Amino acid sequence: QKEVEQNSGPLSVPEGAIASLNCTYSDRVSQSFFWYRQYSGKSPELIMSIYSNGDKEDGRFTAQLNKASQYVSLLIRDSQPSDSATYLCAVNLGSARQLTFGSGTQLTVLP
Amino acid sequence: DGGITQSPKYLFRKEGQNVTLSCEQNLNHDAMYWYRQDPGQGLRLIYYSQIVNDFQKGDIAEGYSVSREKKESFPLTVTSAQKNPTAFYLCASSIDLAGLDEQYFGPGTRLTVT
Repeated sequence: QKEVEQNSGPLSVPEGAIASLNCTYSDRVSQSFFWYRQYSGKSPELIMSIYSNGDKEDGRFTAQLNKASQYVSLLIRDSQPSDSATYLCAVNLGSARQLTFGSGTQLTVLP
Repeated sequence: DGGITQSPKYLFRKEGQNVTLSCEQNLNHDAMYWYRQDPGQGLRLIYYSQIVNDFQKGDIAEGYSVSREKKESFPLTVTSAQKNPTAFYLCASSIDLAGLDEQYFGPGTRLTVT
């Protein structure tokens, strides 16, 4: 069983729609959760971090965390073609400073 | 400018040669990390270091070596023992601020071994 799982996609949404990206993880003691955006050929860029159950909003991005269900998601409102990228979920699985990454979900926003 | 630099951006080597990838940060971060990314896959941890002169193996350390002689620098050597060295190598750094420990990445080095 993979420790951090994401749907690989590809996920396509029309411009202006809400894109929903999902991630599940295996370790109940995980405390820190991160979403990175990675454009093709580039390095990952941190876009959201979340540590507590509930929602965290930053501009068009909302991260949602449910520790009981071991589930973290990222919502992108008013999706733009520039949001087209691979989104990586990262979780610290028990160890304070090590992150385990999912394989990423490729998002395409269609003009 | 504060940030993480990696050099070179592209690196080509012949099989059997060792190669060293550079990673420098001026963010005053205490922890530094090396990851490897293969096409269509997530990142896998090679080595990490939380303080100078100390480092720990990650999930795929075989065939790699590191050093941490300075806080700002964490070079990675890909040795000839690494069976499939061609990959995108990413360096990251972080600092723990009251339990918030976010990793930031350098631009990466794309290594091709033929």
